[in-house]
Amino acid sequence: TQLLEQSPQFLSIQEGENLTVYCNSSSVFSSLQWYRQEPGEGPVLLVTVVTGGEVKKLKRLTFQFGDARKDSSLHITAAQPGDTGLYLCAGVQIGSQGNLIFGKGTKLSVKP
Amino acid sequence: DTAVSQTPKYLVTQMGNDKSIKCEQNLGHDTMYWYKQDSKKFLKIMFSYNNKELIINETVPNRFSPKSPDKAHLNLHINSLELGDSAVYFCASSQDRGASGANVLTFGAGSRLTVL
Repeated sequence: TQLLEQSPQFLSIQEGENLTVYCNSSSVFSSLQWYRQEPGEGPVLLVTVVTGGEVKKLKRLTFQFGDARKDSSLHITAAQPGDTGLYLCAGVQIGSQGNLIFGKGTKLSVKP
Repeated sequence: DTAVSQTPKYLVTQMGNDKSIKCEQNLGHDTMYWYKQDSKKFLKIMFSYNNKELIINETVPNRFSPKSPDKAHLNLHINSLELGDSAVYFCASSQDRGASGANVLTFGAGSRLTVL
């Protein structure tokens, strides 16, 4: 079973639209991170959320950590073609050895 | 200067061969990792290593072995390659965990291994 479930798996939208990507689990995490990966490259960290209920903004991207620290969401406002990529959530499970566990990702395509 | 660099970027080889992928980080980080990304883009941790402790994902076959000549290098050696080993392998590094327990990983660009 997958520890971190991401949805949707694929998302294709037009430039200017808003979207939300979800990362859910039945486990509690000490922190959750979001990465973006472009073709031929490694994932690059966007944000880390640590406190339940925390909201962080990075320009047009808004990240939220669930109150119970079991889920997170990424909302993009007015998407642009440059937002295209694979969005991965990753977490450190409470009581684990501290290694990051990744979700399977959401592949976003923003068409001009 | 690339923070985490891995070589080769592409590797095509025959079943049964032994191959290595090299990784170097110039960030002064204490912990290094190897992840495997399959064709469906699922990133799965294989090893994490610092100068004190090697943590192995129990699902990794013992044909895979990490070798660390020093803190800045963690190479991945694979014996008796199989078709299912075809994937993109990512090296990453992080400072030791902060108080929040959050490892921030810096990834290399990946090494695509194709086993024929």
